[in-house]
Amino acid sequence: GQSLEQPSEVTAVEGAIVQINCTYQTSGFYGLSWYQQHDGGAPTFLSYNALDGLEETGRFSSFLSRSDSYGYLLLQELQMKDSASYFCAVGTGGFKTIFGAGTRLFVKA
Amino acid sequence: EAGVTQFPSHSVIEKGQTVTLRCDPISGHDNLYWYRRVMGKEIKFLLHFVKESKQDESGMPNNRFLAERTGGTYSTLKVQPAELEDSGVYFCASSPIGTAQETQYFGPGTRLLVL
Repeated sequence: GQSLEQPSEVTAVEGAIVQINCTYQTSGFYGLSWYQQHDGGAPTFLSYNALDGLEETGRFSSFLSRSDSYGYLLLQELQMKDSASYFCAVGTGGFKTIFGAGTRLFVKA
Repeated sequence: EAGVTQFPSHSVIEKGQTVTLRCDPISGHDNLYWYRRVMGKEIKFLLHFVKESKQDESGMPNNRFLAERTGGTYSTLKVQPAELEDSGVYFCASSPIGTAQETQYFGPGTRLLVL
């Protein structure tokens, strides 16, 4: 079957750096995305990697290694407002996207 | 620009009843997706429209679920009759044609509870 694995919870302190890993096993691969969701809100697109390497967008960076079927989201200079759930997602082709179960990030003062 | 909107935000119904969820995508977005998230689980793909045509409905659980997108604008997802396991948050997302499929704009979801 198709699946994405990511940790269920991560805790970090304000100002720190945290990395959320995602490994995937899918029948097709077009790219890896990351979404952020605050409680009760809509998932919001953060980043997208189609090719190997690091993509940086402000405090957030995302990495992809297609040969390892692995990626991660790196959050720097953590702020309290970064407390949310983070989902990795893989586009498998034909517009079908597979999501992980999400990682709850708790940022402590 | 208005985002993706969904109605209702919450719905509590009894087993056996019918519920219809509505999604209004961002204006001009031809791609429309429905997803469902059961507590603590992944956001699961249900189906995808391009305009009014269903492109992929492989994620629909069974024939109790019917999605439509008449005129290629808003979409409805009807569950009839609802079962307990249908409870969850139903998300709608949209995107313009030609963008990376992973760049989707989500609505806030409809929280469905079947008792």
